[in-house]
Amino acid sequence: ELKVEQNPLFLSMQEGKNYTIYCNYSTTSDRLYWYRQDPGKSLESLFVLLSNGAVKQEGRLMASLDTKARLSTLHITAAVHDLSATYFCAVVPWMDSSYKLIFGSGTRLLVRP
Amino acid sequence: DAGVIQSPRHEVTEMGQEVTLRCKPISGHDYLFWYRQTMMRGLELLIYFNNNVPIDDSGMPEDRFSAKMPNASFSTLKIQPSEPRDSAVYFCASSHPGQGAATDTQYFGPGTRLTVL
Repeated sequence: ELKVEQNPLFLSMQEGKNYTIYCNYSTTSDRLYWYRQDPGKSLESLFVLLSNGAVKQEGRLMASLDTKARLSTLHITAAVHDLSATYFCAVVPWMDSSYKLIFGSGTRLLVRP
Repeated sequence: DAGVIQSPRHEVTEMGQEVTLRCKPISGHDYLFWYRQTMMRGLELLIYFNNNVPIDDSGMPEDRFSAKMPNASFSTLKIQPSEPRDSAVYFCASSHPGQGAATDTQYFGPGTRLTVL
């Protein structure tokens, strides 16, 4: 059974600082997704990572994927308050044609002034 | 496009009552997913459809839950009878994998917050 673990589960950081959120998964996968959720809101797609070594960037967020280590990272550069949200990674098991997403527990990010 | 539409946005009901949640996927999307989000269990996939056909309902917690998709633009998730432990936010999502994994991002609706007293 595929398991997805994120850490940390909660992150409080100052504006202007850098930090990384980690997403580990237990079995082989060829697709990894990052989503953002604001309190009381829906999930918004951020990135889709499809291959080993894939790197995508949008503003102050950069996501990468290492399929051999079964690890994805979401790096935050010079954090601003608007980035405060919960970030989820999600994985589709290898060779699973179902498109089922297995979600991590989420990382709640709070950016302090 | 208006995105995935869900109704109602909030539902408060009493234990034992029937609850019906509704979803309209993005036009042209052929996959529809129902998820449940709780603090204790996080985001769980309940069931998903492809071209209106249920493909995997292994996440449906028990027989009290049922889901239908009578046509490409409408799906329902029904709980009968409801119990307090069913209180959660229920999300509907849709996708259109098209020609590859790059296009199979799931787009989520605003969710229905269900409270069972």
